Amino acid sequence: AQRVTQPEKLLSVFKGAPVELKCNYSYSGSPELFWYVQYSRQRLQLLLRHISRESIKGFTADLNKGETSFHLKKPFAQEEDSAMYYCALVPLSGGYNKLIFGAGTRLAVHP
Amino acid sequence: GAGVSQSPSNKVTEKGKDVELRCDPISGHTALYWYRQSLGQGLEFLIYFQGNSAPDKSGLPSDRFSAERTGGSVSTLTIQRTQQEDSAVYLCASSYQGSGEQYFGPGTRLTVT
Repeated sequence: AQRVTQPEKLLSVFKGAPVELKCNYSYSGSPELFWYVQYSRQRLQLLLRHISRESIKGFTADLNKGETSFHLKKPFAQEEDSAMYYCALVPLSGGYNKLIFGAGTRLAVHP
Repeated sequence: GAGVSQSPSNKVTEKGKDVELRCDPISGHTALYWYRQSLGQGLEFLIYFQGNSAPDKSGLPSDRFSAERTGGSVSTLTIQRTQQEDSAVYLCASSYQGSGEQYFGPGTRLTVT
């Protein structure tokens, strides 16, 4: 079965603290993994994808196939990072036909 | 350029009525997706269009739900005989061909009373 698990509903940190949002997936093949973010009163938008291996807004995520994880990390959280974060996978065998989302983690960064 | 647009932004309807939700994708994007965002179920895939055809309808929850896309552009999601459990935010997304890099619209918040 294809599944994305984000174990934390809420992650609350202080400004300047490191952040790690956890994501584990279940898929028998090789998926493509993404992080999407939804800021307050804004639409859902792509944050980063594993194949690009880039850092966006200071966030990075590494795909660990052994642990089937794709955790999102940032060394120093900022207040503007407060948002809802969704991990998602696309099953490559399906021809890019849909995103399978985790339940999401709300990140709250306090001053 | 313009992003994905959806209308209406909010819709309140009585149980049993039919509703139509509209999505206008980014120009040139051949792939169009509908998702539903609800408190109990999170973000769920509903249907995928490539051009005017829908090769993946696996997420439609019942036969009361249908969708069409005309001219490879605008799509309409129709819910017949609405039920209270249909209350949710319906999101549309588009991408160039088929891709996990999808551009989302602002959503339509549907409330069934």
